[in-house]
Amino acid sequence: GNSVTQMEGPVTLSEEAFLTINCTYTATGYPSLFWYVQYPGEGLQLLLKATKADDKGSNKGFEATYRKETTSFHLEKGSVQVSDSAVYFCALRDGDNQGGKLIFGQGTELSVKP
Amino acid sequence: NAGVMQNPRHLVRRRGQEARLRCSPVKGHSHVYWYRQLPEEGLKFMVYLQKENIIDESGMPKERFSAEFPKEGPSILRIQQVVRGDSAAYFCASSPLMGNEKLFFGSGTQLSVL
Repeated sequence: GNSVTQMEGPVTLSEEAFLTINCTYTATGYPSLFWYVQYPGEGLQLLLKATKADDKGSNKGFEATYRKETTSFHLEKGSVQVSDSAVYFCALRDGDNQGGKLIFGQGTELSVKP
Repeated sequence: NAGVMQNPRHLVRRRGQEARLRCSPVKGHSHVYWYRQLPEEGLKFMVYLQKENIIDESGMPKERFSAEFPKEGPSILRIQQVVRGDSAAYFCASSPLMGNEKLFFGSGTQLSVL
C-alpha cells in the first residue's frame, strides 16, 4: 500500500543553519505530495505542495522538489529561525483517490536554538 | 472566521467507559476526516465522512469505533469500552470539496485511558 517515510527526529539546529528533512514515498500512480507543519498546541497546517514530477513547492522560505526517479520530496530551508521550531509531516494523496485522504509520515520534530 | 474546532481538548476515561470526541468543521465545509496519532507514530487515517454519509472507513478499527457527521451539528467520533491502547491524539480535518487537497486541521483531542 501507499506509505511515507521521514527521517527520524528530533532535529536540533542553530539559528540560520541549513535544514533538510528527508521524505520518501511508496505509491501507485502519480500522487500529489505535501508538507504540513504543526506548531506546539496547534493543528496541522499546509506548508507546501507539489502535484507532479519535477514540481517545486515553496512557502515561507521552505521548498521541496517532487523527484519521481528517487520517490522523494525532501524539505529544505536555507536559514532556519527559532520560530520554525515545530513538527513537520510529509504526506501524499494518491492520484486515483478522489476522497482526498492523505497518508502521512511519522513526523519530524525540529528544534531551532538561538 | 473560526477554523476547525475540536472538543474536548483533553479527555480522560477509565477502561470500559465511552469516549465521545466532537469536531465542528470550518463553516461551509461538508467533508470531515478523522486521524489518530499514537505516541512515536505518524498520523493514521481513520475515516472520511460527508454530511450524513461515511465515504471511507478503511482506517477504522472493526470494533468499538464509530463515526458520524449528521446533517446538523458536529461530527462525532465514538469509542466504546475504551482500552489503554486507545490513548492517543485524535485529529479532525475538514475540506470544502471532495478531493480538495488542502485540509484544515483542528488542534486535536488528547485521549488518556487510565
